Amino acid sequence: RKEVEQDPGPFNVPEGATVAFNCTYSNSASQSFFWYRQDCRKEPKLLMSVYSSGNEDGRFTAQLNRASQYISLLIRDSKLSDSATYLCVVNIRGYGGSQGNLIFGKGTKLSVKP
Amino acid sequence: EAQVTQNPRYLITVTGKKLTVTCSQNMNHEYMSWYRQDPGLGLRQIYYSMNVEVTDKGDVPEGYKVSRKEKRNFPLILESPSPNQTSLYFCATLRTGGSDTQYFGPGTRLTVL
Repeated sequence: RKEVEQDPGPFNVPEGATVAFNCTYSNSASQSFFWYRQDCRKEPKLLMSVYSSGNEDGRFTAQLNRASQYISLLIRDSKLSDSATYLCVVNIRGYGGSQGNLIFGKGTKLSVKP
Repeated sequence: EAQVTQNPRYLITVTGKKLTVTCSQNMNHEYMSWYRQDPGLGLRQIYYSMNVEVTDKGDVPEGYKVSRKEKRNFPLILESPSPNQTSLYFCATLRTGGSDTQYFGPGTRLTVL
């Protein structure tokens, strides 16, 4: 089983739609979780960290379910500018002083159409 | 401005001709790493460094070398490039403590003929 698995995509949605990305991870010792965004031929950039309590940033909501080893990202009222590939990322060695080993999912491509 | 720089950004070379891709960061981060990204395979870690003079293999280290003589620089060396090393390469640094945010360089697109 792959360490981090994501929806295969691509997701093609109209402007204004709500879209959800799912991600599962296999290492139950994973400690920290992130969603990154990558535009075509550009570097990945942190979109948001994911905490056990869930967190929201404007139109974006991330949730973590440790029992199911599942992470989600919800985008509400999607914009054309949201078109990108979204990468689920897991740190299997924890926060802080352990430095960490980030494992990336293969990403899910989102295309928002007018 | 906090940044990670890579050079060159684009390179076309031939099999067997040694090359170095430089990576430099101005954020004083201890942790640096190199990834390659290939269609259908996602990002895979090549090497990482937890501090000066400390380097470790990632998931796909074969055919690559790195060095970390100073904190800000982490060059990737291909002693004898082969066509299967044609890829998009990213250098990254990790800010630890709190959010463990990883910052990526702009990428180097390498083609080995």
